[in-house]
Amino acid sequence: GQQVMQIPQYQHVQEGEDFTTYCNSSTTLSNIQWYKQRPGGHPVFLIQLVKSGEVKKQKRLTFQFGEAKKNSSLHITATQTTDVGTYFCAPGAGSYQLTFGKGTKLSVIP
Amino acid sequence: GAVVSQHPSRVICKSGTSVKIECRSLDFQATTMFWYRQFPKQSLMLMATSNEGSKATYEQGVEKDKFLINHASLTLSTLTVTSAHPEDSSFYICSARAVERGGSFTDTQYFGPGTRLTVL
Repeated sequence: GQQVMQIPQYQHVQEGEDFTTYCNSSTTLSNIQWYKQRPGGHPVFLIQLVKSGEVKKQKRLTFQFGEAKKNSSLHITATQTTDVGTYFCAPGAGSYQLTFGKGTKLSVIP
Repeated sequence: GAVVSQHPSRVICKSGTSVKIECRSLDFQATTMFWYRQFPKQSLMLMATSNEGSKATYEQGVEKDKFLINHASLTLSTLTVTSAHPEDSSFYICSARAVERGGSFTDTQYFGPGTRLTVL
């Protein structure tokens, strides 16, 4: 599968602050998916981005796919304690396999 | 979202025994299911791709004779860890690829809740 690098690996924010995680690839991606995994839980699908430059919003979450389809970002506005967890990006490959990035672990300090 | 179940959720076994984990898609048919393994504080690592009615495709470094996968129906895939050893202790997660749900096209993976295997 295609490899991606996710940064940062860890992020501690004060509740109410914004948070962004980035996913970078050296190759062009056909699509990218984002997942959230709460501590002790399993990954939950958040969104899939397919088009170059695509921007999608889910309430306080904004997902972007770069123009060159080599990078993606997830931005959370005004974090809440419910946002705690690890956020993974996963590029989709032709065989529909997902290769997960190492994830960004978000901690929110109340 | 779509529901994928896994059974059992936790299993503790003695070294040398075999453990079977079931993955079921409950409200959709999944021609493709995936098995992942996640060690503590690490990301998910794809072990194998399971296609209904055919042999599974294993990732490099994953022993097919040790991790037996059977995808006998469109809603069930099983992973059997044979002759388990302590180093096999991990969180095993399956996912099912949904291409169509409720008449609409999707193509996303939905994950089961995972099975925590502890080998003593």
